[in-house]
Amino acid sequence: KNQVEQSPQSLIILEGKNCTLQCNYTVSPFSNLRWYKQDTGRGPVSLTIMTFSENTKSNGRYTATLDADTKQSSLHITASQLSDSASYICVVSADDMRFGAGTRLTVKP
Amino acid sequence: EAQVTQNPRYLITVTGKKLTVTCSQNMNHEYMSWYRQDPGLGLRQIYYSMNVEVTDKGDVPEGYKVSRKEKRNFPLILESPSPNQTSLYFCASSFRQGIGEKLFFGSGTQLSVL
Repeated sequence: KNQVEQSPQSLIILEGKNCTLQCNYTVSPFSNLRWYKQDTGRGPVSLTIMTFSENTKSNGRYTATLDADTKQSSLHITASQLSDSASYICVVSADDMRFGAGTRLTVKP
Repeated sequence: EAQVTQNPRYLITVTGKKLTVTCSQNMNHEYMSWYRQDPGLGLRQIYYSMNVEVTDKGDVPEGYKVSRKEKRNFPLILESPSPNQTSLYFCASSFRQGIGEKLFFGSGTQLSVL
C-alpha cells in the first residue's frame, strides 16, 4: 500500500472555479511535504513546501495546507485557469521521499 | 538557464537491444536520480547518486544500471530492455542529498520496448 494517497485521481472543472486536491500520508517520521505541478509532456516542478510547523502557505492562486496531526495536506486552487490543467503530485519526506500517484486536473473553458 | 537535460525525448526499441538515456545538469548539484512514471503508480525511483562515483538502488532497480563519473552527468543504461520497461522516465537533481530537497526534473524520455 502506498504511503502517500492522493484524491481524487482525476478532476474536471470549469475555468474560473475553485478546487481542492487532497494528499493523505502515513509516512513517519515526517520531515516535509512538497506539491509539484506536472504539465503534460514535462517534468514536475515544485510549487510549494510544507514543513511540520506550517499550517498554510500560499503561492499566488495556490494555497497549500498541512495538518500534521491527521497527516493530511490539501492544495487549493482559486479562480482556475486553463494553464492549471496538469497533474499535481504530493511528495512526503521522512527518511526517504515517497511520491503520491498524482491528481490529474483538467480545466475546461 | 538552470536545467536538467535528458535525451532522447522519445525512444522506440526492441527487446534485448542495449540503450542509454543521457541526463545532464548544469546547476552543480550533488544529488541526481532516475524515476519511472507509470499510469496509476506515480513516480518510482530507480537509482540515485549522492555524488561522483556514489550510486545506490532505489525502489525498482532491476534491469537498470547507472554511472556517475562526472558530477553533471548521470546516464541510465538498459543492458537488455524488456517490454515491461516501457515507461516514461525522468531524471532529477537537487543541490544536496535528495530527501526533502527541491528536485529539478528533466522533460522526460518516453521509452517503448517492442
